[in-house]
Amino acid sequence: EAGVAQSPRYKIIEKRQSVAFWCNPISGHATLYWYQQILGQGPKLLIQFQNNGVVDDSQLPKDRFSAERLKGVDSTLKIQPAKLEDSAVYLCASSLVGPQETQYFGPGTRLLVL
Amino acid sequence: QKEVEQDPGPLSVPEGAIVSLNCTYSNSAFQYFMWYRQYSRKGPELLMYTYSSGNKEDGRFTAQVDKSSKYISLFIRDSQPSDSATYLCAMSPNYGQNFVFGPGTRLSVLP
Repeated sequence: EAGVAQSPRYKIIEKRQSVAFWCNPISGHATLYWYQQILGQGPKLLIQFQNNGVVDDSQLPKDRFSAERLKGVDSTLKIQPAKLEDSAVYLCASSLVGPQETQYFGPGTRLLVL
Repeated sequence: QKEVEQDPGPLSVPEGAIVSLNCTYSNSAFQYFMWYRQYSRKGPELLMYTYSSGNKEDGRFTAQVDKSSKYISLFIRDSQPSDSATYLCAMSPNYGQNFVFGPGTRLSVLP
């Protein structure tokens, strides 16, 4: 079974620039999550999709972050404009909807904002 | 006070030792408790998943939840160098949503 795919793996940008990350979940997984993991901290949930609808985006900084999940499959997370404090690993995870809500994580995109 | 706290580590143990990793939390609404392992430059992978209080065992891993004390633990028996990673606890009040992660404990098992 193929895992969660993310791209790019690394990105370096200057502050005030924009950046986009892409995630392809495991086939058949209805739920998709985006997390931000700052160095030395645990992942923080940014947004959760159920199919192509948003379940929880309470911690998404909506003035600069946006996310979409077209057709309930792939998802993109965008930051515009980026700030220095956005330097982090952005993790995508997916899960089935069912008795065992196991999240499977992708390898993450490591973002450095200079 | 942070919602979920973990001993920051790093924790170094010799191969074969029993390892105890712990988390405390403040939100009494948490009902679902998870432990993840994260290798360097990889995404977290689920190790254990428990609901409410009690113990759960899977091979060399045992998870304990004490909701009255707001305290959860992960025990690793016969630790191996391949167990060297960061261990994250996570919890949620609702089934399948509102997950909150701890900051993680870095473990090194020395051969």
